[in-house]
Amino acid sequence: DGGITQSPKYLFRKEGQNVTLSCEQNLNHDAMYWYRQDPGQGLRLIYYSQIVNDFQKGDIAEGYSVSREKKESFPLTVTSAQKNPTAFYLCASRGRINEAFFGQGTRLTVV
Amino acid sequence: AQKVTQAQTEISVVEKEDVTLDCVYETRDTTYYLFWYKQPPSGELVFLIRRNSFDEQNEISGRYSWNFQKSTSSFNFTITASQVVDSAVYFCALSYLAGTYKYIFGTGTRLKVLA
Repeated sequence: DGGITQSPKYLFRKEGQNVTLSCEQNLNHDAMYWYRQDPGQGLRLIYYSQIVNDFQKGDIAEGYSVSREKKESFPLTVTSAQKNPTAFYLCASRGRINEAFFGQGTRLTVV
Repeated sequence: AQKVTQAQTEISVVEKEDVTLDCVYETRDTTYYLFWYKQPPSGELVFLIRRNSFDEQNEISGRYSWNFQKSTSSFNFTITASQVVDSAVYFCALSYLAGTYKYIFGTGTRLKVLA
């Protein structure tokens, strides 16, 4: 089945740690996105990538980093510089009619 | 500025009632896309519909219908004869036909359908 796979589903981070969220797609889509979801705030764009080896900051990129070395993969690293990382993170890709396909999300909690 | 507003934070209805979810958008562009997504408790957003700015025809898909009015910058979503399985958070989103293709989401409307 084609789709987007995010892992892990739940992630716990200690203060000061960097953690990496995985996002893999087998849809052969060029563009991929990372969104953060907080209660009552909708989805906010962290980073996006239109093509391999290229990515741009979104609206809330501070404290995050990404890479796009392969078309299928767009991992997100939450660094210790992100002061409030507890949130639900969603990865997406852009489809043929410009609709976004989403993964099942990763819930990150700082402990 | 580009913006999507979903003024209804939460709506509760009794099963079989009709319900309309409102979406108002702002954009200076003349060419754009509008979307609706459903987010069930599992968390994954599910694509429901895409409408481009040149097509103001209303659309019906089973119990779902969408009303797009450029004159009022609205793209409202109606569920007819609601069911408990319709309970979810619904997001309206805006994107563009060219350029960066970023998606701008509203804050979502939580729909609770009571049995």
